[in-house]
Amino acid sequence: DARVTQTPRHKVTEMGQEVTMRCQPILGHNTVFWYRQTMMQGLELLAYFRNRAPLDDSGMPKDRFSAEMPDATLATLKIQPSEPRDSAVYFCASGFPDPRGGTDTQYFGPGTRLTVL
Amino acid sequence: GQQVMQIPQYQHVQEGEDFTTYCNSSTTLSNIQWYKQRPGGHPVFLIQLVKSGEVKKQKRLTFQFGEAKKNSSLHITATQTTDVGTYFCAGLLRDAGNNRKLIWGLGTSLAVNP
Repeated sequence: DARVTQTPRHKVTEMGQEVTMRCQPILGHNTVFWYRQTMMQGLELLAYFRNRAPLDDSGMPKDRFSAEMPDATLATLKIQPSEPRDSAVYFCASGFPDPRGGTDTQYFGPGTRLTVL
Repeated sequence: GQQVMQIPQYQHVQEGEDFTTYCNSSTTLSNIQWYKQRPGGHPVFLIQLVKSGEVKKQKRLTFQFGEAKKNSSLHITATQTTDVGTYFCAGLLRDAGNNRKLIWGLGTSLAVNP
């Protein structure tokens, strides 16, 4: 049963520290999404990649966040320096194009719960 | 900015009652997706609607896409405790720069009393 994996599942860190979250997309999926979920803002799309190329990162604070796909099996999201307002659950999702030309069907990972003290 | 509004925010029903959540956009949507997220879990894809007026059914779930492609609904017949969770819609629209954007609603949280 193919699944998106994310590590770590939980991360507690202090303000100012660097945080790196990793995602392994489902083999064969060519799109990867990064989301942040909070009670107040809901699900926010931070960035997404197609065939490892960044297509849209307009939802990501550029000064401290960066997203990369060093290869097809790994996507990373880094926060440097982290701040308490970054505390949230970060989801990675991988997807494949809808045959009818719609939006990619997205398969979400279990998420990384980040707490910045 | 461009938004996809979901109502209601919360719904509490007795097991066996029906439930409906609505998704509304001020802008025409290219398509719309629905996801379900159980408490403590991650969103799980339910369905995608692409055509104007489209209606799709999955067992007790009925999904509709409006004729103008600006609204959508998810209806659950005879709710069960397993239906508990938050239901999200996500609509694809084009922004002012003609770029495609996937906009998520804030979700409707469903609680079911056994």
